[in-house]
Amino acid sequence: DTGVSQDPRHKITKRGQNVTFRCDPISEHNRLYWYRQTLGQGPEFLTYFQNEAQLEKSRLLSDRFSAERPKGSFSTLEIQRTEQGDSAMYLCASSLPSGRTGELFFGEGSRLTVL
Amino acid sequence: AQRVTQPEKLLSVFKGAPVELKCNYSYSGSPELFWYVQYSRQRLQLLLRHISRESIKGFTADLNKGETSFHLKKPFAQEEDSAMYYCALRNTGNQFYFGTGTSLTVIP
Repeated sequence: DTGVSQDPRHKITKRGQNVTFRCDPISEHNRLYWYRQTLGQGPEFLTYFQNEAQLEKSRLLSDRFSAERPKGSFSTLEIQRTEQGDSAMYLCASSLPSGRTGELFFGEGSRLTVL
Repeated sequence: AQRVTQPEKLLSVFKGAPVELKCNYSYSGSPELFWYVQYSRQRLQLLLRHISRESIKGFTADLNKGETSFHLKKPFAQEEDSAMYYCALRNTGNQFYFGTGTSLTVIP
């Protein structure tokens, strides 16, 4: 296990297109988080899963964003009808259950550019 | 609501000088505070957490609930400490909130 992996690493798309990002967490981690990071900002919380259940979703998240974790393993983040403002780095992180270390393990991110 | 503030976007110190990266937070509950670091071309990774009261790579951070601060300190900065540092808070709902980060440059 080499850690959290994300795919693709880079995505360039035209405005209005749909994009999907995939995250494979560390195998024994049941919590999975999605963050968005823009230039000069820290990671901004989008949503998180415990196993296959989506427990929280940021109120800032547009309805164009949807995330799934169908079998409690990998997760996908889909953005529909992309806008230029969606250009950002999308980070995935996973962690062990609450009450343990609480440490987030991050992937390298998927960079989205919307033209 | 919770908020993490890092007032300094950029910080430069000379090698061997002390360094302090500031972090303030607001949260009505009992927070867990962390420092994450991102070295050039590497992924974001945990540096230290307040509950462990540990020193990692010579860095320490003390949670001051009275001042709602969790400043990161190191007595003698090294060139390899140059990186982006993020303070983070975990709430009781297991959501992590990050500050905007401080870019530390250690000048040889």
